Amino acid sequence: NAGVTQTPKFRILKIGQSMTLQCTQDMNHNYMYWYRQDPGMGLKLIYYSVGAGITDKGEVPNGYNVSRSTTEDFPLRLELAAPSQTSVYFCASRVGQSNTGELFFGEGSRLTVL
Amino acid sequence: AQTVTQSQPEMSVQEAETVTLSCTYDTSENNYYLFWYKQPPSRQMILVIRQEAYKQQNATENRFSVNFQKAAKSFSLKISDSQLGDTAMYFCAFMKHPTQGGSEKLVFGKGTKLTVNP
Repeated sequence: NAGVTQTPKFRILKIGQSMTLQCTQDMNHNYMYWYRQDPGMGLKLIYYSVGAGITDKGEVPNGYNVSRSTTEDFPLRLELAAPSQTSVYFCASRVGQSNTGELFFGEGSRLTVL
Repeated sequence: AQTVTQSQPEMSVQEAETVTLSCTYDTSENNYYLFWYKQPPSRQMILVIRQEAYKQQNATENRFSVNFQKAAKSFSLKISDSQLGDTAMYFCAFMKHPTQGGSEKLVFGKGTKLTVNP
């Protein structure tokens, strides 16, 4: 099992550009999440999904969109990139209704908007 | 809404010594999970230890143990025999138990940067 795979690992964008961060998991997990990590601020939830076709906003959804057409994939789209979106982005997944609650994380994607 | 507070932005410890990282949280829920995640310089988030709120016994994983005080809403992490590889950011996190209904989001504290000195 590869676990949770994020691409790209690094990206530099110009203000106003758009891009998609890809996330895929091969563990057949129902729940998937996107977090952003800013220095000294911990991780904040952007969007999450409890299954294919179902998504919901987290704490900081503005400027982002997601879709969940399959169990495996949960891409995060940035429209009209802004410097405030410079951050490290983490995708994570977990089994729904599990008795452990553990999240499995990807390795993160560092995005810089100039 | 749940909140998680880590009051120690940075800590340091000598190799082989013991260190305790603090975490408090605020919730009206009765059943939930608490976690400590480790993030080394590689950026990978690694689960260190997990506690279920309905279990009174404190969780232990090798050199890592917790002091879970439910009434005080406190969840500290003790690292014994500290090793250089323990140098990392440590995040405390909270999640409602699935049986409580509603969304199951993991809420993180801001983290504590731990440095283990040789």
